[in-house]
Amino acid sequence: GAVVSQHPSRVICKSGTSVKIECRSLDFQATTMFWYRQFPKQSLMLMATSNEGSKATYEQGVEKDKFLINHASLTLSTLTVTSAHPEDSSFYICSARPPAVSTDTQYFGPGTRLTVL
Amino acid sequence: QQQVKQSPQSLIVQKGGISIINCAYENTAFDYFPWYQQFPGKGPALLIAIRPDVSEKKEGRFTISFNKSAKQFSLHIMDSQPGDSATYFCAARSSGTYKYIFGTGTRLKVLA
Repeated sequence: GAVVSQHPSRVICKSGTSVKIECRSLDFQATTMFWYRQFPKQSLMLMATSNEGSKATYEQGVEKDKFLINHASLTLSTLTVTSAHPEDSSFYICSARPPAVSTDTQYFGPGTRLTVL
Repeated sequence: QQQVKQSPQSLIVQKGGISIINCAYENTAFDYFPWYQQFPGKGPALLIAIRPDVSEKKEGRFTISFNKSAKQFSLHIMDSQPGDSATYFCAARSSGTYKYIFGTGTRLKVLA
């Protein structure tokens, strides 16, 4: 089956620093990747849609200058949380969609737990 | 209109019983309805999914029932096992954008 990985799985950083999270599709090319945020015991909230070779599309209320997304290749998208603050602490999950038109499914990564001190 | 309402919030079932989780939506532009299982600290894993032109789909112990006119769909887990204890999310996909809108989640606990 399709595998999506994320790195790191956990990260702790100091307030004011930037953190980069990588999302890779390991066995398929993903023209579209999605970034979600999940607070404890809550649902997944879509942050942005990342398309290879173009600018990401952010959902309403998501600060594009704070959450920088780069989708430089068909297998890699990165999310950089800039000038992180404690309220940015959350579980960040990416998903990837294979390019075939007939494919409906998104495959999710294992998530990255970010803790900002 | 973009919301997907999910119930119950939590569910306790005896081993061997049937777990039923319900979801409802408003947007008729949704065209794909997956269910995901998530264990603590892990990403969601696809369980089963359905398109609106089908009223029921079964895969092993998992069944989706879909009522297009009522804009409702449900997940049935037959012969529930303690290993099924997890959080379950329904989702709906917007036609054309491929974006998923997730339900609020149901925490299932299956007692041994």
